[in-house]
Amino acid sequence: KAGVTQTPRYLIKTRGQQVTLSCSPISGHRSVSWYQQTPGQGLQFLFEYFSETQRNKGNFPGRFSGRQFSNSRSEMNVSTLELGDSALYLCASSLEDRGTDTQYFGPGTRLTVL
Amino acid sequence: GENVEQHPSTLSVQEGDSAVIKCTYSDSASNYFPWYKQELGKRPQLIIDIRSNVGEKKDQRIAVTLNKTAKHFSLHITETQPEDSAVYFCAASKERSQGNLIFGKGTKLSVKP
Repeated sequence: KAGVTQTPRYLIKTRGQQVTLSCSPISGHRSVSWYQQTPGQGLQFLFEYFSETQRNKGNFPGRFSGRQFSNSRSEMNVSTLELGDSALYLCASSLEDRGTDTQYFGPGTRLTVL
Repeated sequence: GENVEQHPSTLSVQEGDSAVIKCTYSDSASNYFPWYKQELGKRPQLIIDIRSNVGEKKDQRIAVTLNKTAKHFSLHITETQPEDSAVYFCAASKERSQGNLIFGKGTKLSVKP
């Protein structure tokens, strides 16, 4: 099976802009989780989607949002970008939305905010 | 909420030596503990995981041990090789976490030939 894919791989934006990132899970996986990875804070959970519904959310401001489509593909959106949003954004897919299901990560989208 | 602490933050070993990375967690309800390896510029890859109904799991040169009473778990790599050099992350989760893995800060392992 093909692994988790993310597009685009790299993005450069300026403060105040918005951005949309895309994630395609492993075929048959119905849960998609998003994480932000930075050198200072490490890997932090953003949110999780299952059956087109957000089932869990981390401690991030409302500027961070997402959605999931009927084919399980997911997008996340960041509005009004700030310098501190520069990070590697990773998505991970799993079969179901149990916390004990194995998560497989995509290659990430490297976002740079200038 | 759940907190996962990981030590050490950096670890340097000679090729062929063993490496041990330790993690502690705070939520006694956590029952799933994966370990990920992330090479520079690459995605985190699952290398081994353990669930709370077992105390130890091995896969070739890699083993993980879990002590539920003390709320800590460890990664053991034997006969280290230069290709083991990477950042290793431990994580904890529970059944109802719905996708939320709580990660440690990572350990940068360097294996010197």
